[in-house]
Amino acid sequence: EDKVVQSPLSLVVHEGDTVTLNCSYEVTNFRSLLWYKQEKKAPTFLFMLTSSGIEKKSGRLSSILDKKELFSILNITATQTGDSAVYLCAVVLVWGAQKLVFGQGTRLTINP
Amino acid sequence: GAVVSQHPSRVICKSGTSVKIECRSLDFQATTMFWYRQFPKQSLMLMATSNEGSKATYEQGVEKDKFLINHASLTLSTLTVTSAHPEDSSFYICSARKPGLAPGELFFGEGSRLTVL
Repeated sequence: EDKVVQSPLSLVVHEGDTVTLNCSYEVTNFRSLLWYKQEKKAPTFLFMLTSSGIEKKSGRLSSILDKKELFSILNITATQTGDSAVYLCAVVLVWGAQKLVFGQGTRLTINP
Repeated sequence: GAVVSQHPSRVICKSGTSVKIECRSLDFQATTMFWYRQFPKQSLMLMATSNEGSKATYEQGVEKDKFLINHASLTLSTLTVTSAHPEDSSFYICSARKPGLAPGELFFGEGSRLTVL
């Protein structure tokens, strides 16, 4: 069974802290790994990672994939209250025409 | 940017009635759309893949007669929850892939919260 596991499930930090969110996966036909941010309703796309060891960066957010150890991390530096959200990790499977398997999500709360 | 619109955003219905949720891609044509279900504090679970002009592909454990999917045009997919029961109460989200973008670079609708009394 294809599985994506995120940790921690919940994290509370102070504004300005740096956080690292984890995503491990165990799937039959890996194609790529995605990170999304879900605030209230629709998830919004953050990163897509296909190759190992290549860091993707967008402002204070960055992410990297390790295909040997089957995990990815999402880093957020100098956190702000607007970063509070649920961060979802998903794996795209080759079989199934872009089928996504989502992790449970990490609920991140940034306190002022 | 591409936009996916979902309607209604919130619906309350009586047990036994049917509810239709629409998912529209507003500025691109989507041959494939996806329907997800999200329970409180849980992640998105893929229910089915909606294919324009053909039958939807359902995930294991999802009743196709219960959750009817129709993708009649390149910009519209509908999910009908038939004979709804309280256990069908959930947050339903659709997504669509814009042609030319990588798989997984999906655009999500804003979701529809269904409450069955």
